Amino acid sequence: NAGVMQNPRHLVRRRGQEARLRCSPMKGHSHVYWYRQLPEEGLKFMVYLQKENIIDESGMPKERFSAEFPKEGPSILRIQQVVRGDSAAYFCASSRMKEYEQYFGPGTRLTVT
Amino acid sequence: QKEVEQNSGPLSVPEGAIASLNCTYSDRVSQSFFWYRQYSGKSPELIMSIYSNGDKEDGRFTAQLNKASQYVSLLIRDSQPSDSATYLCAVFMIKAAGNKLTFGGGTRVLVKP
Repeated sequence: NAGVMQNPRHLVRRRGQEARLRCSPMKGHSHVYWYRQLPEEGLKFMVYLQKENIIDESGMPKERFSAEFPKEGPSILRIQQVVRGDSAAYFCASSRMKEYEQYFGPGTRLTVT
Repeated sequence: QKEVEQNSGPLSVPEGAIASLNCTYSDRVSQSFFWYRQYSGKSPELIMSIYSNGDKEDGRFTAQLNKASQYVSLLIRDSQPSDSATYLCAVFMIKAAGNKLTFGGGTRVLVKP
């Protein structure tokens, strides 16, 4: 499967726990983007990364959220001390070039109880 | 004014008819435009990209772009019940913090047999 992969597909966390979401881009893609979609709301940009670099994190909340895309391995979106308002679908997308077509993974649905 | 605006719908279309979806955007210098289809509970799926003024056809889909009017549309010919989904318009916006793909709120399409 050459598509964008995300895991886990569903994640349940209690308030105060940490959530780690993983994304492997499509083969040949070096640009990774994370988006959040709240129930019945639109897709909101969070962060744009290339290998070992955060290019644009202007959409990321200042606290508790961080992202990385190491030289080896998947990109990771990390949410510390989760709160109920973090419950959402988190999508990763990748592209071959910066302003080119983005392809989305299946998403991780985070539920905070 | 929202950066990318779509009518939320639902747009109800009889099977076999043409569904016409509209999208306007605020950034006059945007150059890249995309349409995504999102089924309920699933991730966005890229169906069309368009970069130049005019029409672009792909199967039953036609995208139309008018940069002077800051308007992009999607036509779905011979609509099928399987086309029932939310269609997201996405525009690459030029921003000081970095260019990013900005999504409209989506238009829900219902194709009735």
